Amino acid sequence: GAGVSQSPRYKVAKRGQDVALRCDPISGHVSLFWYQQALGQGPEFLTYFQNEAQLDKSGLPSDRFFAERPEGSVSTLKIQRTQQEDSAVYLCASSLAPLVGGGTGELFFGEGSRLTVL
Amino acid sequence: KNQVEQSPQSLIILEGKNCTLQCNYTVSPFSNLRWYKQDTGRGPVSLTIMTFSENTKSNGRYTATLDADTKQSSLHITASQLSDSASYICVVTPGGGAGSYQLTFGKGTKLSVIP
Repeated sequence: GAGVSQSPRYKVAKRGQDVALRCDPISGHVSLFWYQQALGQGPEFLTYFQNEAQLDKSGLPSDRFFAERPEGSVSTLKIQRTQQEDSAVYLCASSLAPLVGGGTGELFFGEGSRLTVL
Repeated sequence: KNQVEQSPQSLIILEGKNCTLQCNYTVSPFSNLRWYKQDTGRGPVSLTIMTFSENTKSNGRYTATLDADTKQSSLHITASQLSDSASYICVVTPGGGAGSYQLTFGKGTKLSVIP
């Protein structure tokens, strides 16, 4: 597609449910990021993939959060046993080249998946 | 800890007026600084990317400045339009090797342009 696509756009989950958020990056983009954005805040880093390799998952808040990108394209962020504090917008972003070394590559964001945990 | 501070938190201006948004950062080493526009309910969209050697960069009515010595940047919007109403986020990329993809985001300045 022309841009980064995320689904679902909106998800309401009951506390304790598992959710899966999908990201379709721009075709051919090597780098893929997941960010969490709370209301009125800037995005916070969750994890980074370079192709299928998850190079950094240090931003994942707990072991309930899991991300994968098995074939180096589509990525899924899974949250198990959701809690109210997980309510946020989850943004996916992709870049053509690796951003290691302080690269200036353009980072393209999806529209985000807004998760509300009741 | 690397930080990016933006001011003001929010701003209301009349259509047609100019405004300037500020960004101070403590990220070191530094590679580049980005400004993004985020409409409500949408993902951020890039406005400018500036490396440490660039002082000014323009994108239409948007002009970003960077002073790498004082670790300050500003985004100037000229002749504002209603469609400029959005959050403007300052993002700093650290230099160096490992972890240099961990961009640090500011909380953003929420701009409202009123008729």
